[in-house]
Amino acid sequence: GAVVSQHPSWVICKSGTSVKIECRSLDFQATTMFWYRQFPKQSLMLMATSNEGSKATYEQGVEKDKFLINHASLTLSTLTVTSAHPEDSSFYICSAPREQGLSTDTQYFGPGTRLTVL
Amino acid sequence: GDSVTQMEGPVTLSEEAFLTINCTYTATGYPSLFWYVQYPGEGLQLLLKATKADDKGSNKGFEATYRKETTSFHLEKGSVQVSDSAVYFCALSVFTGNQFYFGTGTSLTVIP
Repeated sequence: GAVVSQHPSWVICKSGTSVKIECRSLDFQATTMFWYRQFPKQSLMLMATSNEGSKATYEQGVEKDKFLINHASLTLSTLTVTSAHPEDSSFYICSAPREQGLSTDTQYFGPGTRLTVL
Repeated sequence: GDSVTQMEGPVTLSEEAFLTINCTYTATGYPSLFWYVQYPGEGLQLLLKATKADDKGSNKGFEATYRKETTSFHLEKGSVQVSDSAVYFCALSVFTGNQFYFGTGTSLTVIP
């Protein structure tokens, strides 16, 4: 079946540094990927839509200069948290739809990346 | 706008009990509806889905029926097991391949 991977699975960094998180679709191409943030015991919040070959689309309230998204290829999207602060600590999840030729696509989710900013 | 309202948890049940997790939605178009499950320490997994009114999605003994008249997609299982302990998310997507709108999640714990 379709698999989406994320790397790293867990990262700890110092305040003020930048962290890059990768999201890959392993056996299908994804022109669109989505980035979510999940706070403890809360739902997923859509942060942005990553589009291959064009700029990402950010949801209201998400700082585009802080959360840089690059969709470098049809199988890779990266999220860079710039100048990270402790309040950026969270669980970041990506997803990608796979066209199945049916009436709707199924989203495949990565396992998530836990970011802890000290 | 599009949104999903999900029954709050946590829910604790004894093994073999009947499970219902309520989910209602608001959508401007004709959404597809999903239930995702997140086991401890793992990523989200699709549990079941329904793409049009009156469709019933089912998987692993779970089922949910797309009710347009009540804008609901309640998750049910007749006899839960300890291994069903997880967080369950109701979600909708209005356009194919588009982003999902998630409910807040319901934590289920099944005790032996």
